[in-house]
Amino acid sequence: QQPVQSPQAVILREGEDAVINCSSSKALYSVHWYRQKHGEAPVFLMILLKGGEQKGHDKISASFNEKKQQSSLYLTASQLSYSGTYFCGTGDQTGANNLFFGTGTRLTVIP
Amino acid sequence: DSGVTQTPKHLITATGQRVTLRCSPRSGDLSVYWYQQSLDQGLQFLIQYYNGEERAKGNILERFSAQQFPDLHSELNLSSLELGDSALYFCASSVTSGLRYNEQFFGPGTRLTVL
Repeated sequence: QQPVQSPQAVILREGEDAVINCSSSKALYSVHWYRQKHGEAPVFLMILLKGGEQKGHDKISASFNEKKQQSSLYLTASQLSYSGTYFCGTGDQTGANNLFFGTGTRLTVIP
Repeated sequence: DSGVTQTPKHLITATGQRVTLRCSPRSGDLSVYWYQQSLDQGLQFLIQYYNGEERAKGNILERFSAQQFPDLHSELNLSSLELGDSALYFCASSVTSGLRYNEQFFGPGTRLTVL
């Protein structure tokens, strides 16, 4: 049930853009994105739901392709504070809100 | 600070022992989730409780059990510990369960080391 994320790691310079992908072999009902900085707890970024509803961060955008069972997180004009590991979590049809997380994408932004 | 508290912060114990991890959710949150994070497995969902009842189960071993008490705090019990149980254990909480997806707020985690 664990979604697959790509790339596994990416290094950017400040101001550059990045895309992180998340795909699942099972039908997706919701996709949740979190960022975890080293030694800290994951922090919520965004939720995308079937039907197009979204809620989350103002400066980060994401897409959800239900047919392809994929989601992408778009980080534009990256800042040093964007560094961390990004996880996508997928929810199932029960609506229980428990998440199965991907293995993460480590993003490093350098000056 | 997410408002979720976990104790203890660190725990070092020996193989075969039993430990209890404690979590207090944010005020007003009815759902509590437990996750295990190890280097090679990423964030693994273990179990979810909603208002005292088990709501969903993930990759939780039979040696592990959890419960949520009337005051909504939760405990994760790990027994017959093995070296491979060494990991960071996170508790998260959210407003509600049911047919609505909500953000989860993660506690700072308990780092368990089994020697």
